[in-house]
Amino acid sequence: GAVVSQHPSRVICKSGTSVKIECRSLDFQATTMFWYRQFPKQSLMLMATSNEGSKATYEQGVEKDKFLINHASLTLSTLTVTSAHPEDSSFYICSVRGGRVAFFGQGTRLTVV
Amino acid sequence: GEDVEQSLFLSVREGDSSVINCTYTDSSSTYLYWYKQEPGAGLQLLTYIFSNMDMKQDQRLTVLLNKKDKHLSLRIADTQTGDSAIYFCAATLSGGYNKLIFGAGTRLAVHP
Repeated sequence: GAVVSQHPSRVICKSGTSVKIECRSLDFQATTMFWYRQFPKQSLMLMATSNEGSKATYEQGVEKDKFLINHASLTLSTLTVTSAHPEDSSFYICSVRGGRVAFFGQGTRLTVV
Repeated sequence: GEDVEQSLFLSVREGDSSVINCTYTDSSSTYLYWYKQEPGAGLQLLTYIFSNMDMKQDQRLTVLLNKKDKHLSLRIADTQTGDSAIYFCAATLSGGYNKLIFGAGTRLAVHP
């Protein structure tokens, strides 16, 4: 069964609006979760590391005010794309570490029109 | 920093073996992984290998690691049409296993 549940799987929003993506760890408590972005036919780019109860750690070049991350519990992290623009359209995937292995959510296809 | 490279495309006939290759640069990478991604889906872990191992086999999948050359391969025996997907190689950054660096992915096409 799924280890990581990500919702929604697909969302279309208007420019200027905000979109929230949820990532849930189903099988274990996760003090750390990871958010990736994937452009078409490209690899995954790590955006940020979400830490339960503290601020997220963002990778270089990722705007923290644009991509708000909240990790309020041991099983839930959310990524909010604020004031979305067409260039934010992408596939966003979250990941949870279970021991030595990283498990991934199903991904969220965001389209900003 | 770590750099992971893969060939971008592989085409094989159904029933043949597929070999997907990957090279990485950080010799202290602790774990190396293979993930499969089908269209519009997340990543599915196929297998992983610890850096002190040379080979790992799991049913139709065989992973070979040449640590000296920093080369990793994934062999899929008796390739089926359901194996058509993008395969990502990933390596941990030195010393830990939190951050993963991914290759660009190899698109495997299986034809009759």
